[in-house]
Amino acid sequence: GAGVSQSPSNKVTEKGKDVELRCDPISGHTALYWYRQSLGQGLEFLIYFQGNSAPDKSGLPSDRFSAERTGGSVSTLTIQRTQQEDSAVYLCASSLFTYTDTQYFGPGTRLTVL
Amino acid sequence: GDSVTQMEGPVTLSEEAFLTINCTYTATGYPSLFWYVQYPGEGLQLLLKATKADDKGSNKGFEATYRKETTSFHLEKGSVQVSDSAVYFCALKGGSSYKLIFGSGTRLLVRP
Repeated sequence: GAGVSQSPSNKVTEKGKDVELRCDPISGHTALYWYRQSLGQGLEFLIYFQGNSAPDKSGLPSDRFSAERTGGSVSTLTIQRTQQEDSAVYLCASSLFTYTDTQYFGPGTRLTVL
Repeated sequence: GDSVTQMEGPVTLSEEAFLTINCTYTATGYPSLFWYVQYPGEGLQLLLKATKADDKGSNKGFEATYRKETTSFHLEKGSVQVSDSAVYFCALKGGSSYKLIFGSGTRLLVRP
């Protein structure tokens, strides 16, 4: 079946602009996760959703970052007033249930802030 | 807090050589352990996992055994191929957690 999809695959933006990154999880998966992969920080957790709720936003690096999930499916990660240090690959993952095993990852969105 | 330590790369091997990538962890309780692989230009793919001590995960010729006594989950393959060239990430997830904690990744380059 279809895996996790993300769009766009690449995004180049200017410093100070807002960007939206989209994630479509595997159909039927109740949990959704955002991670960031950057040269300096490696792979780090940002936020997770159970259904449409985000019980843990502790990984979001600043208040410029926000995320929402609608209909228990698609999620959008929004970065306002982008900074150069936001440049990274943003990965989305989903799993059938929150605490059980495997998280399946999408191909990621590479964000470059000029 | 929980953490994962991987051997630094890059690891360069000739085709058909034996591969070991070391991974050790620090965690409270009984975490699940994972190896993910990232091929050039692609996202993370689950390679194998183990959910309790002494379990052996295996896939595509790769193996790793969950060793609680040494807090290790080393990745091995008996004969690597050029197509195995990728970055390998060791990760853990605590028993009551939803977060994956990743190591820094190890780049493997296999030469013909």
